Amino acid sequence: DIVLTQSPASLIVSLGQRATISCRASQSVSTSSYTYMHWYQQKPGQPPKLLIKFASNLESGVPARFSGSGSGTDFTLNIHPVEEEDTATYYCQHSWEIPYTFGGGTKLEIK
Amino acid sequence: EVQLQQSGPELVKPGTSVKISCKTSGYTFTKNTMHWVKQSHGKSLEWIGGINPNNGDTNYNQQFKGKATLTVDKSSTTAYMELRSLTSEDSAVYYCAREDRYDDAMDYWGQGTSVTVSS
Repeated sequence: DIVLTQSPASLIVSLGQRATISCRASQSVSTSSYTYMHWYQQKPGQPPKLLIKFASNLESGVPARFSGSGSGTDFTLNIHPVEEEDTATYYCQHSWEIPYTFGGGTKLEIK
Repeated sequence: EVQLQQSGPELVKPGTSVKISCKTSGYTFTKNTMHWVKQSHGKSLEWIGGINPNNGDTNYNQQFKGKATLTVDKSSTTAYMELRSLTSEDSAVYYCAREDRYDDAMDYWGQGTSVTVSS
């Protein structure tokens, strides 16, 4: 199974600053055309919400302050400028092969 | 509007089974794979498996083979997951999630169903 390692596990960022979350895969999840990595946001008591698909494509309706980058095994989710409502846990997930797996999550707090 | 409405919380005894439903609306049910995801309290997400509602083909995480069975009812556009031989390790919130036809990502999620296994 592909292991996704997220860092940091938790993060405190000042309002209006940048949050950067990393996700490293145990093997490549990219072809020359596509990268099978996605990012989700989950707030307490709610289901996950899709933010970014195929590593860098913003899901419809998601604010442009969210962006994703990376290919192969190393991926990054950036949020800038962070807002109070961005307090949540963020997960990466691959769809390269069965079984799909998720990262361990990064808990973001805004101060 | 795409909606996935899951059945209510379950309190079940060890050794028994439970069947969770995911009623869909707002899209053509047979055109999108449906996935199921487990989230134990305070923990990350685990992919259980997926089902193609058009032909019933399934893929399972090996960890859940023998534990979970995925089915669909096309007439009612509802997906189901049955969990059997329940133990305390199965206590969790379970989500159904629709796969985007083009991007592989899970673009719509049910609200989650809490399953508590306790005697």
